This record gives sequence, C-alpha cells and structure tokens, in this order.
Amino acid sequence: DSGVTQTPKHLITATGQRVTLRCSPRSGDLSVYWYQQSLDQGLQFLIQYYNGEERAKGNILERFSAQQFPDLHSELNLSSLELGDSALYFCASSLRPSNYGYTFGSGTRLTVV
Amino acid sequence: GESVGLHLPTLSVQEGDNSIINCAYSNSASDYFIWYKQESGKGPQFIIDIRSNMDKRQGQRVTVLLNKTVKHLSLQIAATQPGDSAVYFCAENNEVTGANSKLTFGKGITLSVRP
Repeated sequence: DSGVTQTPKHLITATGQRVTLRCSPRSGDLSVYWYQQSLDQGLQFLIQYYNGEERAKGNILERFSAQQFPDLHSELNLSSLELGDSALYFCASSLRPSNYGYTFGSGTRLTVV
Repeated sequence: GESVGLHLPTLSVQEGDNSIINCAYSNSASDYFIWYKQESGKGPQFIIDIRSNMDKRQGQRVTVLLNKTVKHLSLQIAATQPGDSAVYFCAENNEVTGANSKLTFGKGITLSVRP
C-alpha cells in the first residue's frame, strides 16, 4: 500500500456520461497530481494541485476538471465521455512540489462503452 | 518539444543476469530524473532517482547512470530476478518553479525475466 488511495478501482460507463474519480493523498502530502495512462500515450500529466490551488496544467481536455479540497483529497471530473477516454487514471502525491519523486496510487481503470 | 523516450519497447533477460534499461531525454534543462517500476495492476513505484549534479547513484541491486552530455539515462539491475518483471519508466522533472512541478514520463519498456 503506497498510502495514496484512489476510488473506484474500476469504472464502466457509457459515452456522453460524466464520472468523478477520487484520490486521497498520502498522509502529510500537500501536492496532488493526476496522470492518464493509455497504451499508445504512456503516462500523460493532466494537472497538479498544491494545498488546494491549481499549480500546473498538462494536456488536460476542457471536458475534464479537477479540484483539491481543504482536507487535501482531490477529485477528477470527466464529462461528455468518449471512447478514447478509456484509460488508467493515476493520482500521485508528494509533500511539496520539488525535486522529489511522487507516490502513486493504484489507479482507476475507466472503460467507456 | 520536451520528450522522454525509451530506446527499446521490450527487454528479455535470463534470471541472474544483469539488465540495462536505457532512456533518452531531450530537455537539457532537466535537473532531476527518476526510474519507476510498474507491475501489472499497480501504479508506478519509485525505484531510484538522480539529480543532474551527479552521474551515478546506487541503490539495492539498482544503479542509475546519467550522461548529461548525450542526455542519456540508464537503469542497471544486478542479478535480475523474476520479481523484476515489470514495465519500467524513466521520468524527468524540469518545471520545478515555486509551487509547480511536473514529471514527464517516457513510454515505458517491458522487462521480461526468463527462468
């Protein structure tokens, strides 16, 4: 157990729907990162939050949004889902954004049918 | 643009042999590098890291080498074991400014250990 908790582990939904993925960072970590992993794109950085504020954005679609709450957990919202959104979504956390490695959760596997 | 790439998509090694996994990076401003291991059904797991002011760092059975001249990173695994079978990613961190940070990952290489 890495200490980063992601729920749900698996999610199957239809195109056009909206889902919310949840992440609880490792105790004491203030920064949360979201990554998307697909077979042909590898691990793609989506967005980073630090102590409740958005700090960095990657190739995150406008249909996707995220937030980090006062208790530091984070949610990634995916809307108007398309087949191509099927992927593994990972959350990672670190004490602070700096030159240290991230601790990853075990991911949420999203399947859009 | 910035990219991190791995030279080989798969690597098959005999149990007990040493493994070398290579990675090229394109951003000369990157100052921190990490190797991650991802087993099936799990998230990436930190293996070892190295900062740009070093050219070698050793861990338990693993060594990371950094050649900034040619922008090359390698992971050496000594006495490879079946439990080392996984996908390995290199990652670089080059956007640490203030409260921002972003790891850029390579596409990954599968290490398969033959018994």
